[in-house]
Amino acid sequence: GIQVEQSPPDLILQEGANSTLRCNFSDSVNNLQWFHQNPWGQLINLFYIPSGTKQNGRLSATTVATERYSLLYISSSQTTDSGVYFCAVEDSYSGAGSYQLTFGKGTKLSVIP
Amino acid sequence: GAGVSQTPSNKVTEKGKYVELRCDPISGHTALYWYRQSLGQGPEFLIYFQGTGAADDSGLPNDRFFAVRPEGSVSTLKIQRTERGDSAVYLCASSSTSESTDTQYFGPGTRLTVL
Repeated sequence: GIQVEQSPPDLILQEGANSTLRCNFSDSVNNLQWFHQNPWGQLINLFYIPSGTKQNGRLSATTVATERYSLLYISSSQTTDSGVYFCAVEDSYSGAGSYQLTFGKGTKLSVIP
Repeated sequence: GAGVSQTPSNKVTEKGKYVELRCDPISGHTALYWYRQSLGQGPEFLIYFQGTGAADDSGLPNDRFFAVRPEGSVSTLKIQRTERGDSAVYLCASSSTSESTDTQYFGPGTRLTVL
């Protein structure tokens, strides 16, 4: 199956700093989503972005599908940004009618005051 | 409107017991997914429903795991003869159609502990 690798595994930032999280995937994808899992375990969808660039406030994401990677940018980080960021993809070659997401292991972000 | 809800939030059981975990998707969402998340890992796919039918159950680890969605809304994940290795957070997600372009919205999860 498709492999999803995220880097770095852990990241500590001073409040106000910027960061870039990376997601590499091993095959063509139909769907790519970025999620934030807060310290209480809730997964929040940040972006649906199989290609191109999107922005939402201090967050933006870029996926270069031909090179099989996606980047999540966090600017002016806040303590509430802490948590685990997951990249999840749907393999283009999965069976007909299957829309399962394959997740990476995540990047654990800690923003300190 | 309300998001995806899951009950119970926590379940502690003894090895060998039977458990049921419930998922209530966002109203009107036809697609429903179950995932399992172990400590320090990303969620892993278990099963996908489109309407009442299981369209893809390839992620179920063995025949002790079973899920139903009899009326195309609420789903129940059933685990027989639980083992300590089943301990994890079980997550449910729903999306508005069966298209791969749809965002999956996740519930808060059920933390299952098998003693």
